[in-house]
Amino acid sequence: QSVLTQPPSVSAAPGQKVTISCSGSSSTIGSNYVSWYQQVPGTAPKLLIYDNNRRPSGIPDRFSASKSATSATLVITGLQTGDEADYYCETWDTSLSVEVFGGGTMVTVL
Amino acid sequence: QVQLVESGGDLVKPGGSLRLSCAGSGFTFSDYYLSWIRQAPGKGLEWISYIDGTEKFINYAASVKGRFTISRDNAKNSLFLQMNSLRAEDTAVYYCARRLWNGYSNYFDDWGQGTLVTVSS
Repeated sequence: QSVLTQPPSVSAAPGQKVTISCSGSSSTIGSNYVSWYQQVPGTAPKLLIYDNNRRPSGIPDRFSASKSATSATLVITGLQTGDEADYYCETWDTSLSVEVFGGGTMVTVL
Repeated sequence: QVQLVESGGDLVKPGGSLRLSCAGSGFTFSDYYLSWIRQAPGKGLEWISYIDGTEKFINYAASVKGRFTISRDNAKNSLFLQMNSLRAEDTAVYYCARRLWNGYSNYFDDWGQGTLVTVSS
């Protein structure tokens, strides 16, 4: 079991919106910044979001994220077939002094 | 552009050892923390270890502490992971990632393509 809890999968039709939750605790999300990674099958993960809600250059604004208390959320709008991938949240665990990832969420475009 | 290239993955027997390497280019290697992150077949990402540019700050996940050792050679722009007492559950793709620390948060902004380690008799 991961320290950060994500739904195993979400799906929606092209053009629609999906929301991915990431639930942690006071020692993880509650006291640290969250980042999100996209992993297209067969490839390495790629940074999608950092500092809770900031996008690196080149990441479209269809991807947005937020954080509230001990949870974080990634939202993908205008869903495209190229968005089919696994998405992971990540943060620092202050109690354990380690980096922690969520279990990952598979996004399927119907 | 930033490039990280892992090598050294192989098939190894339980109890054996293996050394992974990661060659960095396109950035000032010694200025950055680097990490190893692994992914077992069909599973999620698991952070393994990080090391700062001076080798002063090093940390490990509980699952590998005492068995794995991270190190780096800044003169050769190289990161290493010495893996001893390998177990079947260490079977995974091992990624090298640049860990960016901006003073208040950290995240992995660039990743290598990964190298496969298989532990099996």
